[in-house]
Amino acid sequence: AQKVTQAQTEISVVEKEDVTLDCVYETRDTTYYLFWYKQPPSGELVFLIRRNSFDEQNEISGRYSWNFQKSTSSFNFTITASQVVDSAVYFCALSGNNDMRFGAGTRLTVKP
Amino acid sequence: SQTIHQWPATLVQPVGSPLSLECTVEGTSNPNLYWYRQAAGRGLQLLFYSVGIGQISSEVPQNLSASRPQDRQFILSSKKLLLSDSGFYLCAWSGQGSYTGELFFGEGSRLTVL
Repeated sequence: AQKVTQAQTEISVVEKEDVTLDCVYETRDTTYYLFWYKQPPSGELVFLIRRNSFDEQNEISGRYSWNFQKSTSSFNFTITASQVVDSAVYFCALSGNNDMRFGAGTRLTVKP
Repeated sequence: SQTIHQWPATLVQPVGSPLSLECTVEGTSNPNLYWYRQAAGRGLQLLFYSVGIGQISSEVPQNLSASRPQDRQFILSSKKLLLSDSGFYLCAWSGQGSYTGELFFGEGSRLTVL
């Protein structure tokens, strides 16, 4: 069975701090995809990134970076120099043969 | 461009009343469609997914049901709501074929059962 674990329920940082959101997954599929979504207070989920299981290259997009390590089944998300607008719930997700599973989410609060 | 809409945005219903949430997708054909529920302070739970008209897969046994009467229409229903049905319901679509593409979510429907 597929499972996604986001052990951090809530994180609070002060603006300009770096913060890393952890994601650990379990799957028996050899081909799968990993995702991060952002849910701002408005409620709608916004897609951030997709990674397939064969591509372990880390990715950087502006202040966002993602670290995919197959050996530890982790797909962590780092925000550098956090801003108040980064405050949201962040979900990690895993898709395989049949469906997409989401983690419980991490609520990030960035204080000014 | 593709768009997804769901309604109503907010709903307050008494226990035992029926429910109908509707979701439509525009700008794409034969999408995979999903209903997720997010209980207060919790993650997303997959309720139903559909790969085609009349094809519905249920993930969690409950008093909810889903239907796909048209290619780009997905409806979530209940004959009798329970208090535990309260939550934030999200409809989503992805490209046809497999679950490898990202999901595109609607605006969400907040249901409160009293």
